[in-house]
Amino acid sequence: NAGVTQTPKFQVLKTGQSMTLQCAQDMNHEYMSWYRQDPGMGLRLIHYSVGAGITDQGEVPNGYNVSRSTTEDFPLRLLSAAPSQTSVYFCASSYRRSTDTQYFGPGTRLTVL
Amino acid sequence: QKEVEQDPGPLSVPEGAIVSLNCTYSNSAFQYFMWYRQYSRKGPELLMYTYSSGNKEDGRFTAQVDKSSKYISLFIRDSQPSDSATYLCASHQGTSYDKVIFGPGTSLSVIP
Repeated sequence: NAGVTQTPKFQVLKTGQSMTLQCAQDMNHEYMSWYRQDPGMGLRLIHYSVGAGITDQGEVPNGYNVSRSTTEDFPLRLLSAAPSQTSVYFCASSYRRSTDTQYFGPGTRLTVL
Repeated sequence: QKEVEQDPGPLSVPEGAIVSLNCTYSNSAFQYFMWYRQYSRKGPELLMYTYSSGNKEDGRFTAQVDKSSKYISLFIRDSQPSDSATYLCASHQGTSYDKVIFGPGTSLSVIP
């Protein structure tokens, strides 16, 4: 049981490049979410999904896109990277609701130059 | 004003000390309170989950909520070097898809 996995662990992008952060979970959880963590700011919700085919925006969605074609996978796409998107990104999953215990992945450290 | 606030530290204590970590929140509708522990370069993991006011104990850890003053505390007894981590508090109102609000975290070092 791997839990929540994220790839890559580290990434450096140039301004304007696009990329996809991968997230997968093997716990058959319905709820999945993406957060970014910046110093002094806490975890901020980017996008979330309550099941396959259903996604919605969180607190800071601009510049990011998501889709959920399967229960297991929830990729996060950066459309045109900006230095303000330099952050640590965490994917999390929970059984059914955002308020169930959330299980976090190990994170992706992204730097945008 | 942030909805959940914490002193970022860093807090440094000797091994065996009692540690007190604190949060304040502004939304009086919050009913559920959580503490997450995050080791360096890792994702957060849930440590304690409490409802409303009162105390909850789990081994060396005690979570305390005072809703009248909107104050959340985590006490660690007999602290160990393995407790060195960042501790995040979080809250929500309790509806099914409520937004969980995280504090920025307090960094703790327990010195052997």
